[in-house]
Amino acid sequence: QVQLQESGPGLVKPSQTLSLTCNVSGGSISSGDYYWTWIRQPPGKGLEWIGYIYYSGSTYYNPSLETRVTISVDKFKKQVSLKLTSVTAADTAVYYCARVTFGNNVDYMDVWGKGTTVTVSS
Amino acid sequence: QSVLTQPPSVSGAPGQRVTISCTGSSSNIGAGYDVHWYQQLPGTSPELLIFDNTNRPSGVPDRFSGSKTGTSASLAITGLQAEDEAHYYCQSYDSNLTAVVFGGGTKLTVL
Repeated sequence: QVQLQESGPGLVKPSQTLSLTCNVSGGSISSGDYYWTWIRQPPGKGLEWIGYIYYSGSTYYNPSLETRVTISVDKFKKQVSLKLTSVTAADTAVYYCARVTFGNNVDYMDVWGKGTTVTVSS
Repeated sequence: QSVLTQPPSVSGAPGQRVTISCTGSSSNIGAGYDVHWYQQLPGTSPELLIFDNTNRPSGVPDRFSGSKTGTSASLAITGLQAEDEAHYYCQSYDSNLTAVVFGGGTKLTVL
């Protein structure tokens, strides 16, 4: 059974780059049946989709964040990474890594990591 | 302001039935895009509850059901139990935003 574990600095200074890693265990990271996504949740608020990366390496980002986001995959290390540049306090959130499965016409997240909390503060 | 609108809160007594609505527009649910539902228990990460409008993943009790009509979707929970107390989120896709979108979430309180 696939498991996801996010990790990274819990505190990032304003204007710096947030970098997180998601370790994938118990399953393939490069199967054509799934792909990977990052989602975040500000304190006390709802979920916000950040972006996807397909097994081919193709990416697609939320247009509201795409100028600052990069998602990548290291198939050998079985890791999915997130970089978010020029962070502000508004980027403070719990960041989740999730596996995405193809739906009928909208794909869905069927496995989630436990999340990692990132605070942006000087 | 979420693209998909959910009531902030709903409540019900044990054993009762509650429904949670997810209202969209012609660029998301109304355009034919499917809806998925997630349950987030206190202090945990979200878990898939309903996919493709009406389908339950293995292990999800049949007390949970989903439906979709027009520009809205609904999650129904029957035989309410204390362990159902959680936040519930709907998810779809919006063609105007070209993005995956979530509802703002609904907190279910079991009285």
